[in-house]
Amino acid sequence: AQSVTQPDIHITVSEGASLELRCNYSYGATPYLFWYVQSPGQGLQLLLKYFSGDTLVQGIKGFEAEFKRSQSSFNLRKPSVHWSDAAEYFCAVGGYGNKLVFGAGTILRVKS
Amino acid sequence: GAVVSQHPSWVICKSGTSVKIECRSLDFQATTMFWYRQFPKQSLMLMATSNEGSKATYEQGVEKDKFLINHASLTLSTLTVTSAHPEDSSFYICSAPRRLAPNTGELFFGEGSRLTVL
Repeated sequence: AQSVTQPDIHITVSEGASLELRCNYSYGATPYLFWYVQSPGQGLQLLLKYFSGDTLVQGIKGFEAEFKRSQSSFNLRKPSVHWSDAAEYFCAVGGYGNKLVFGAGTILRVKS
Repeated sequence: GAVVSQHPSWVICKSGTSVKIECRSLDFQATTMFWYRQFPKQSLMLMATSNEGSKATYEQGVEKDKFLINHASLTLSTLTVTSAHPEDSSFYICSAPRRLAPNTGELFFGEGSRLTVL
């Protein structure tokens, strides 16, 4: 069965510092992998996705993620965090049929 | 701007009443929509797949008679929580596939509807 683990429930970083959010997945085939961000009162917004090809994918708002098959990971990174990045981030794995399995989410807090 | 919209964004109701939540795709047709439930500090759990013109497909463990789903048109799906109880209090989110990327898992999400049952 598909599953996604986000080990960190909360992460706090200083503005301007680098960020890495961890995501591990379990899936029997080549997965489609996603990172979504949810700001309070808003719907989830797609940050980036991995389907195939280059394992380092670029997304919106300066985010990137690297797919590592050997580690079953798809960690999200940003070199310099802005206060507006404070939100909840969800990693998800999906397969055919648009069904997504989400991780529990990581709440990012940004210190000024 | 939002391309999937939910209404209401929040609702408080008495135990035993039924509550309807609407999910609309604003500028595209969605033959399929998905309903998720999000518990505090937990992941989104897929409840059911709403199919225009046919019955919804429910995930294992989701009560069909409790959570009625109707996909009335190509732009509207509704979730009705029947005889709501406090344990049904949650955040319900709908989503629809990107029209240019079917069957890839790319979804537009609604803003979510917070249900509180007293």
